[in-house]
Amino acid sequence: KQEVTQIPAALSVPEGENLVLNCSFTDSAIYNLQWFRQDPGKGLTSLLLIQSSQREQTSGRLNASLDKSSGRSTLYIAASQPGDSATYLCAVDNQGGKLIFGQGTELSVKP
Amino acid sequence: EAEVAQSPRYKITEKSQAVAFWCDPISGHATLYWYRQILGQGPELLVQFQDESVVDDSQLPKDRFSAERLKGVDSTLKIQPAELGDSAMYLCASSPGSWGQGRGHIQYFGAGTRLSVL
Repeated sequence: KQEVTQIPAALSVPEGENLVLNCSFTDSAIYNLQWFRQDPGKGLTSLLLIQSSQREQTSGRLNASLDKSSGRSTLYIAASQPGDSATYLCAVDNQGGKLIFGQGTELSVKP
Repeated sequence: EAEVAQSPRYKITEKSQAVAFWCDPISGHATLYWYRQILGQGPELLVQFQDESVVDDSQLPKDRFSAERLKGVDSTLKIQPAELGDSAMYLCASSPGSWGQGRGHIQYFGAGTRLSVL
């Protein structure tokens, strides 16, 4: 059974700092891995999708990497801003669409 | 920009009552998902539709939950009777890809329905 773990559960950083969020999964037979952002009381916004054949994806200040063999992904956020404060969730798809989510990392970027 | 629409945004109900949530996916999206998210946790899939057919409902508590997507467009999720433990955010998502293609597609989420059972 696929299990997804995110560390740390919460993170507080000063504005401008570069940071890394971690995601690990137990079953490496995945189709893809996705990173989402969730603001309090809101739905999820997709940030990046990495297909199983890819190693990384970039969008603006965000870079996500995938190492299937070790069951790990990282989300790198450069030059963090207060507007980046949110919960970040990673999810893996190893069954044709069914996403298995981690519990999320709650990020707070302080001015 | 096209969005997944959900209603209501908030629902408060008493234990043993019936509740229903509605979702309208992005136009043309074949696959529709219902997830449940308990506070402080990641979402968990309840049911997945491919057009009007159920692809996966293995985590749906079928004694009290039902879901339908009659014309392969919008969908309704119903709970009857509601229990205290059903208090959660119910999220709908859609994606353009077809299940089983072996390649992932981005899932687009609605704003959710926050259910409180008293």
